Amino acid sequence: QSALTQPASVSGSPGQSITISCTGTSSDVGGYNYVSWYQQHPGKAPKLMIYEVSNRPSGVSNRFSGSKSGNTASLTISGLQAEDEADYYCSSYTSGSTRYVFGTGTKVTVL
Amino acid sequence: QVQLQESGPGLVKPSETLSLTCTVSGGSISTYYWSWIRQPPGKGLEWIGLFFPSGSTSYNPSLKSRITISVDTSESQVSLKLTSVTAADTAVYYCARTSQWSFHSWGQGALVTVSS
Repeated sequence: QSALTQPASVSGSPGQSITISCTGTSSDVGGYNYVSWYQQHPGKAPKLMIYEVSNRPSGVSNRFSGSKSGNTASLTISGLQAEDEADYYCSSYTSGSTRYVFGTGTKVTVL
Repeated sequence: QVQLQESGPGLVKPSETLSLTCTVSGGSISTYYWSWIRQPPGKGLEWIGLFFPSGSTSYNPSLKSRITISVDTSESQVSLKLTSVTAADTAVYYCARTSQWSFHSWGQGALVTVSS
């Protein structure tokens, strides 16, 4: 089971919006609405930001939003802030043998 | 608010067994799904396996022959055992409450180094 494909890095200035893509196949991202997104600051555990494509857990800023089209899911961060600088990973349920697959990870830099 | 804390040896010798425990507080361990996930230094996340409330398990095929995940409800602990470890198993190991096909709560992680 191959990892989902994410851009290695995305950057933006404070206040801007950025979008991180997560590309899979019809066996994972495209086949199920079970895509989630995680934020990970250096030396810290990942934190759930989005689940089931577009749902935000309680306490997560509404500046974070998720969507999906075909085999590609996206995470958009609006009004970029310095604290958003972190690594971001997508994940999806998969009908493949692995059950869950993660993305390759994207480093977000706030310029 | 469920809280999770991993614990176990930070150093394991090659060919030996890695054993980690995740202690759960603030919620009923028996009503949730529990996953183990690992992250090699400087690399991405890898799902290891899942324990269902029914007692059944699901493991990553790449590790299946070496993994055992179990739950001790009396101690509120989720355990991971990984046998015949090599340097490739060096990673930070996380336990995570799993719900709605996502990993909602994570422990702080436990770094395990495989070295002689």
